Amino acid sequence: EIVLTQSPGTLSLSPGERATLACRASQSVSSNYLAWYQQKPGQAPRLLMYGASSRATGIPDRFSGSGSGTDFTLTISRLEPEDFAVYYCQQYGSAPRTFGQGTKVEIK
Amino acid sequence: EVHLVESGGGLRQPGGSLRLSCVGSGFIFGDYTMSWVRQTPEKGLEWVSALTWNSVDVDYADSVRGRFTISRDNAKNSLYLQMNSLRVEDSALYYCARGTWGSPFDYWGPGTLVTVSP
Repeated sequence: EIVLTQSPGTLSLSPGERATLACRASQSVSSNYLAWYQQKPGQAPRLLMYGASSRATGIPDRFSGSGSGTDFTLTISRLEPEDFAVYYCQQYGSAPRTFGQGTKVEIK
Repeated sequence: EVHLVESGGGLRQPGGSLRLSCVGSGFIFGDYTMSWVRQTPEKGLEWVSALTWNSVDVDYADSVRGRFTISRDNAKNSLYLQMNSLRVEDSALYYCARGTWGSPFDYWGPGTLVTVSP
C-alpha cells in the first residue's frame, strides 16, 4: 500500500499570499496518477487536480500541481477567501487507492 | 450537471447489516466506473470499493473484503453497497464517487452517515 504523507499539517496564511502544499509517497506513484482535492466543512471533497498537474473542470488557474515519482506539490498562487479549506492528495495508480491525511489552510 | 445522491445510512449494532444506495444523474451512468469512499475524523478519507461500468472488475479495501459487496444497476443509474457483519470501526460518512482504475474521483455525492454502536 502506498502511504501518502502531506506537509505541513496546517498552513496559516493571509489572503493574497502563496500557498505551497507537499505530498510525499512511500513509493513511486504509477503514471503520476496523483490527484488533489479540496474539502470545506460539511461538504464532499472536490477534485482540483489530476495526473499531478492537470486542472479539473472549472478550477481556476491560481491552482497548479507539479511533481513526479514520490514528491508532489499543490500551489495556490494567491489565496482567495474561498480557498481556506482542507486539501488532500490521493493516488489512483495502485491498489488500494490511498489518500493523504490532509493539509488545512487557515486564515492567519 | 452531474449529481450523485446517497441514501440508506443509519444506526446499527455490531454484526448488523445495511445497504447503501447511490443514484447518479446528469451523465451516462453505465459508462463509468463507480466507487465508495468513507471518511471519519480519526482516519480521514478511505477508499472502500470500486466497480467497473460492466460489473466485470471489482475491488475492495482489505478492511471490508468479505463483508461488503458492491453492485450496480445501470438501468436504474444506481450503485449499491451491501454491508454485512458491521463493526464499530465501519462508522463513517460514506460517499459515492465517480471514478477509479486509472481515473480520479471527479464527482462525489454529499454522503450518507453510518453509525455502528452497541
